[in-house]
Amino acid sequence: GAVVSQHPSRVICKSGTSVKIECRSLDFQATTMFWYRQFPKKSLMLMATSNEGSKATYEQGVEKDKFLINHASLTLSTLTVTSAHPEDSSFYICSARDRTATSTDTQYFGPGTRLTVL
Amino acid sequence: DQQVKQNSPSLSVQEGRISILNCDYTNSMFDYFLWYKKYPAEGPTFLISISSIKDKNEDGRFTVFLNKSAKHLSLHIVPSQPGDSAVYFCAAKAGKSTFGDGTTLTVKP
Repeated sequence: GAVVSQHPSRVICKSGTSVKIECRSLDFQATTMFWYRQFPKKSLMLMATSNEGSKATYEQGVEKDKFLINHASLTLSTLTVTSAHPEDSSFYICSARDRTATSTDTQYFGPGTRLTVL
Repeated sequence: DQQVKQNSPSLSVQEGRISILNCDYTNSMFDYFLWYKKYPAEGPTFLISISSIKDKNEDGRFTVFLNKSAKHLSLHIVPSQPGDSAVYFCAAKAGKSTFGDGTTLTVKP
């Protein structure tokens, strides 16, 4: 099956620093990748949709200057949390849609990145 | 306003019995529904889906039922196995996917 990786799996940083999270589709090309945030015992909240070679589309309430998304290739999207603060601590999950899939509804999720901001 | 709700945060069943996970939604524009399974420290994995034009979809031990008039869908797992223990998310699509909060299923041997 399709595999999506995320790196790092865990990161702890000091308040005010920036953190970059990578999302890679390992065995397929993804024209579209999604970034989610999950709070404890809560649902996945879509933050933004990232399309290869174009600007990301952010959901309402998500600060685009704080959560920078780059989708530079068909297999890589990055999320940079700039000037992180403790309230940014969360579980961030990416997913990717296979460009060759006949169904546009199938998303493959990465394992997630646990961000802790001290 | 949460458009997709899973009102039971947890469910415990005995191995071999049926597990029924429920999901309610409010947006009548949703036209596709999905169930995902998530183990700790892993991303969600697609399980089964159903289009709004159908009321049932079956795949092995997993069956999803959709009641559009009640805006309700359910996932049936029968027979339940200990390996089914995980968090189950339902999701509804009207363009993008909206997820419920998840239900933690525990299947006891």
